[in-house]
Parts: sequence; C-alpha cells; structure tokens
Amino acid sequence: EVDLVESGGDLVQPGRSLRLSCVVSGFSFGDYGMHWVRQTPGKGLEWVSSISWNSGNIVYADSVKGRFIISRDNAKNSLYLQMNNLRPEDTAFYYCAKDRGGGFIFYYMDVWGKGTTVIVSS
Amino acid sequence: EIVLTQSPETLSLSPGERATLSCGASQTIANNYLAWYQQKPGLAPRLLIYDASIRASGIPDRFSGGGSGTDFTLTISRLEPEDFAVYYCQQYGGSPTTFGQGTRLETK
Repeated sequence: EVDLVESGGDLVQPGRSLRLSCVVSGFSFGDYGMHWVRQTPGKGLEWVSSISWNSGNIVYADSVKGRFIISRDNAKNSLYLQMNNLRPEDTAFYYCAKDRGGGFIFYYMDVWGKGTTVIVSS
Repeated sequence: EIVLTQSPETLSLSPGERATLSCGASQTIANNYLAWYQQKPGLAPRLLIYDASIRASGIPDRFSGGGSGTDFTLTISRLEPEDFAVYYCQQYGGSPTTFGQGTRLETK
C-alpha cells in the first residue's frame, strides 16, 4: 500500500526556520518526482515546490523562492522542505504528494500524504 | 501564470441528481493537462481525473471529465452521499502549476 507520512510541523515565530519531512512507502520513491502543496485553513490549495527523481529539476513558487529549499534522500525514501525566514502567511497545512512521472516535466499529484501543520506566529 | 476559476463556488444538490462543475482557465492549457481532485473534511485531496478526461485508478465511472482549451467540466452522473465534498481543478500544462479555488458540493 502506498503511504506518505509528513512530519515536522510546529508553531514557530516569524523569522525562524523549520524542516518538514515526508517518508514514503509502497512505491519506488527514487523513480518519481515529488511535490509540496500547502493549504490554509478554510482556503484552497497552493503549490509550493517540486523536485525530480534525481534532484536535477527543482522549482519553487514565487512566494517561497529564496526562503524554502526542497530536497530528497532516495536511500531513505524521504522528501524534505527546509523552510527559512518563515512569515505569518506561511501558516498552512503542508502536504507532500507524488508526481505521476519522474519529474523531467511535472504533472499531477496522484498520491498525497495526510499533511502536517505549520503555524507561524509570535 | 494560468489562473483557474471554478464555478459555481457552492453547488447544492440532492443524492441521485447530476452535478456539473466548471473550471475555466485564463489561457489555453497545453495538452489539456488538467486534473480534478476531491477533498473531504480533514482528509487529503484525492485524484479523480487527469489529462482532462481520464479517470484515476479506483474512481467510479459516475465521475467523468471533459472539455479542452480553456473550459473544462467535471460531471458526477448520479450523486452518492459520499460525493458531497470540495472539488479542485489543477492545471499542469503551464508553469507554475496552479489550482482553482474549489467548488463546494453540498447536500440540498
């Protein structure tokens, strides 16, 4: 069974850092591109960042570019999101999601994790 | 950036009725690369449709997707109680990928 489990969400002060993790199982992680998508309470979905299978193709939303870093460790079946200089507007529920392909081109998200909550507040 | 506008914002229907949800794009979506997701309270989104009209694995055939270019639809032929949820469209034909704001399908 395919499973994605996020962790690392917390309450942090503005300007601080946080690292999210996503551990996957049930599929060959190293073959697929991966995404981070966030959702604010009661609001819609916002794509954050994507990474190809070999980390050779990485893209970010303008809202997080220069502050967030996506990475992966295929040996550990793990995806990460290093979030620096956090702002109150980064407060959201963060999902990791699997792409349908390897990530040379990013497509849709065919499997999602259950998410983790990030709250940025003083 | 391609802006997706979903309509209506809320759709009130009864079980057994037909639901038609729309997703309009601010510019043509290459290759009709459009997906639909269903999200229930407290749960992650679930992929329903990709490439505008292909049902994802395990999705009942009462769900169908259509359209091309800038206008797309998700149709649920006969609503079941478990279909009442929020539905999002996503385009992946242009960079960055973007989502619509969602349509809430509620019980009348």
